[in-house]
Amino acid sequence: AQTVTQSQPEMSVQEAETVTLSCTYDTSESDYYLFWYKQPPSRQMILVIRQEAYKQQNATENRFSVNFQKAAKSFSLKISDSQLGDAAMYFCAYRSDYGGSQGNLIFGKGTKLSVKP
Amino acid sequence: EAGVAQSPRYKIIEKRQSVAFWCNPISGHATLYWYQQILGQGPKLLIQFQNNGVVDDSQLPKDRFSAERLKGVDSTLKIQPAKLEDSAVYLCASSLPQKGHGGEQYFGPGTRLTVT
Repeated sequence: AQTVTQSQPEMSVQEAETVTLSCTYDTSESDYYLFWYKQPPSRQMILVIRQEAYKQQNATENRFSVNFQKAAKSFSLKISDSQLGDAAMYFCAYRSDYGGSQGNLIFGKGTKLSVKP
Repeated sequence: EAGVAQSPRYKIIEKRQSVAFWCNPISGHATLYWYQQILGQGPKLLIQFQNNGVVDDSQLPKDRFSAERLKGVDSTLKIQPAKLEDSAVYLCASSLPQKGHGGEQYFGPGTRLTVT
């Protein structure tokens, strides 16, 4: 079974600085997707960034980028120029591309990010 | 485009009572998911529907939880009878079903259930 591990329960960053959130996963599959989701307090979960395992190039979305190391099964999220609105829980998630449950997301426990003004 | 709708947003019940949650996915999204998110943890899939058929309910506690998706659109999740450990946020999500699409899941605001 696939697992996702986020080893940093909480992180803090100064406004305008850069922060990196860590995520490792375990799988025997070769085709899959990895995601970072953001969940602000009392607000709904939204997708931040997505990475297809077959792509070697790291995904980027504006201030958000990932460092995808397939062999090491590592998938970290870098937030540049942090803003107060980035404060939230961040979840790393794995999605298989096989079988009937191919849509099922497997989440890590999350990292709570605080942004200091 | 309207997002995933859920109701109610909050519910407080006593243990052994029953409760039902409702979800309306984004129009055209054939795949619908119910997740349970216990405080301090990531969401865990309870059940996945493709249209009105169940794809995966392996983690659904079937002795007390049930779910249906009539006509392949709206879905309801029911708990009967509720236990204290059912206190959680219940998230509904929907997506397009294409394999290999990497289909993004769109989440609703969730229903926060407190069982006393």
